[in-house]
Amino acid sequence: DGGITQSPKYLFRKEGQNVTLSCEQNLNHDAMYWYRQDPGQGLRLIYYSQIVNDFQKGDIAEGYSVSREKKESFPLTVTSAQKNPTAFYLCASSMGERLRNQPQHFGDGTRLSIL
Amino acid sequence: GDSVTQMEGPVTLSEEAFLTINCTYTATGYPSLFWYVQYPGEGLQLLLKATKADDKGSNKGFEATYRKETTSFHLEKGSVQVSDSAVYFCALSIGSGNEKLTFGTGTRLTIIP
Repeated sequence: DGGITQSPKYLFRKEGQNVTLSCEQNLNHDAMYWYRQDPGQGLRLIYYSQIVNDFQKGDIAEGYSVSREKKESFPLTVTSAQKNPTAFYLCASSMGERLRNQPQHFGDGTRLSIL
Repeated sequence: GDSVTQMEGPVTLSEEAFLTINCTYTATGYPSLFWYVQYPGEGLQLLLKATKADDKGSNKGFEATYRKETTSFHLEKGSVQVSDSAVYFCALSIGSGNEKLTFGTGTRLTIIP
């Protein structure tokens, strides 16, 4: 079945440590997105990518980095510069410009906590 | 900028009650509108969508109508079930070359038997 796979489901980070969250999709989608979800708040966009080897900052990109070397993969690195990284991280994908106004498909998320 | 305002929760209803979750939006263009649902510990799933004024999206007994005159997209269901307990997010996309979603803060719904 086609879908989006995020791993790991739970992740723990020590102070000063970078961690990378994995996101893989086999939907043949062009566009991929990373969101952060905090309790009582909606989802906030961290980074998005419309095409391989290209990505743009979202609303809260500080302290995060991404890469898009393959169409299927869009890993997110939470760097030590992100002072409040504890959150639920969601990856999504969509057809992008090939087919506008189509919904995004979401993975099951990674919950990141600070040790 | 674009924004979505949702009815604050939590909302608690008895089984078979009528549900309305209000959603209004502000957008500079002509957005597409979406309702997503999130079950505990999971990602978001698309519930329904509407891409132009007066469109009605529907799925699993839920409905929402795109009202341009009131900039609203309220979610309704005639008879809720315990399995409808979840967090519901209203969202919009301008779709002007990128498909970024702007989300509301979510409404937690609990249905009691």
